[in-house]
Amino acid sequence: DIVMTQSPDSLAVSLGERATINCKSSQSVLYSSNNKNSLAWYQQKPGQPPKLLIYWASTRESGVPDRFSGSGSGTDFTLTISSLRAEDVAVYYCHQYYGPLPGTFGQGTKVEIK
Amino acid sequence: EVQLAESGGGLVQPGGSLKLSCAASGFTVSSNYMSWVRQAPGKGLEWVSVIYTGGGTYYADSVKGRFTIARDNSRNTLYLQMNSLRPEDTAVYYCARGTSTTYWLLGLWGQGTLVTVSS
Repeated sequence: DIVMTQSPDSLAVSLGERATINCKSSQSVLYSSNNKNSLAWYQQKPGQPPKLLIYWASTRESGVPDRFSGSGSGTDFTLTISSLRAEDVAVYYCHQYYGPLPGTFGQGTKVEIK
Repeated sequence: EVQLAESGGGLVQPGGSLKLSCAASGFTVSSNYMSWVRQAPGKGLEWVSVIYTGGGTYYADSVKGRFTIARDNSRNTLYLQMNSLRPEDTAVYYCARGTSTTYWLLGLWGQGTLVTVSS
């Protein structure tokens, strides 16, 4: 199975500053039929279920603020929060859906306010 | 309103059984890939089971042979029958719906139901 490794496990960022989370897959998740990376990001706030933020590595789900952006290709991916707000405190998970389906999640990265 | 509502969690002894329900509203369960995902206390997400639109199923190795996913189209409800429960099955269990374009993206989640396996 594809192993997803996120870094760091946690980070503390000042309000208004940039937060960057990395996700590395043990093999490429580039889907050849559409030339897109099968990589999603979820946000889980305390006491809530996860919420889909980004899919195909860089496509924002409807309603997700544009301060959230995803990038990367192949095996290395990044979720960036351009200007951290208090409501962004959460654990963020990457998820590969390349295969074998339904795929695998990363271990999560906790984002806190410094 | 489109939503999912889980129920059926609780405290059960090791070796016992529990049946979780997930009532859907605003959409049809049988027309979507429906999943159960669990989260042990303080831990990450683990995909437990999926039922496809055609009725096929997937189970994680950790629950294969012990859990059964099913749906009742007349009740528009998803189920997870859990047998031979172990302490390591203790978790919040979420039901979730795949998106309309990419079935493995979970675009709608319930609030979850807590299952505690302990003597």
